[in-house]
Amino acid sequence: DVKVTQSSRYLVKRTGEKVFLECVQDMDHENMFWYRQDPGLGLRLIYFSYDVKMKEKGDIPEGYSVSREKKERFSLILESASTNQTSMYLCASRPQGPGTGELFFGEGSRLTVL
Amino acid sequence: GNSVTQMEGPVTLSEEAFLTINCTYTATGYPSLFWYVQYPGEGLQLLLKATKADDKGSNKGFEATYRKETTSFHLEKGSVQVSDSAVYFCARTNFGNEKLTFGTGTRLTIIP
Repeated sequence: DVKVTQSSRYLVKRTGEKVFLECVQDMDHENMFWYRQDPGLGLRLIYFSYDVKMKEKGDIPEGYSVSREKKERFSLILESASTNQTSMYLCASRPQGPGTGELFFGEGSRLTVL
Repeated sequence: GNSVTQMEGPVTLSEEAFLTINCTYTATGYPSLFWYVQYPGEGLQLLLKATKADDKGSNKGFEATYRKETTSFHLEKGSVQVSDSAVYFCARTNFGNEKLTFGTGTRLTIIP
């Protein structure tokens, strides 16, 4: 079975802290994505990566960075967390090539910034 | 740009009622269309998909037909169950299938 694993289901951090959200997939997928989910706004793309050490900005990259040192792992970094980054963060992956575009999601990491 | 507009919720229905959740998309390119479902406390999982006009996706009693003439992909189920309570997201691919654009989600609650 396809599996995307996010390291932390729930995190509570303070304003100004550096936050790492980790995501690992075991499907050998080239493409990986980070979305945030907020009520009434749906899912918004933060960053995506189509290869190791490659990254592209999504629709809302401000305040975030990413790291892709290994194919299976894609990390989201909040350099200095702020209260408006309180949200549910979803990692997803899919294989390279046109395909159908289907994404495989992890269970999400709910971050609260105090 | 590419966007998806879906019916706002929340939607509350009685068990065995007929369900429709509307979804329309911007008519740019030739997108694939998806419905994802998010059960409480879980991530998103694919419910069904359609890759070209007039295709019908179906799964778990849910159906949606890719209608190019009305740029719609409405989700339907003939008889809902309590276990269908979840948030439903409509989505489309962007050019080259690189990314998905999601609607805002519709929360569905089924009462016994």
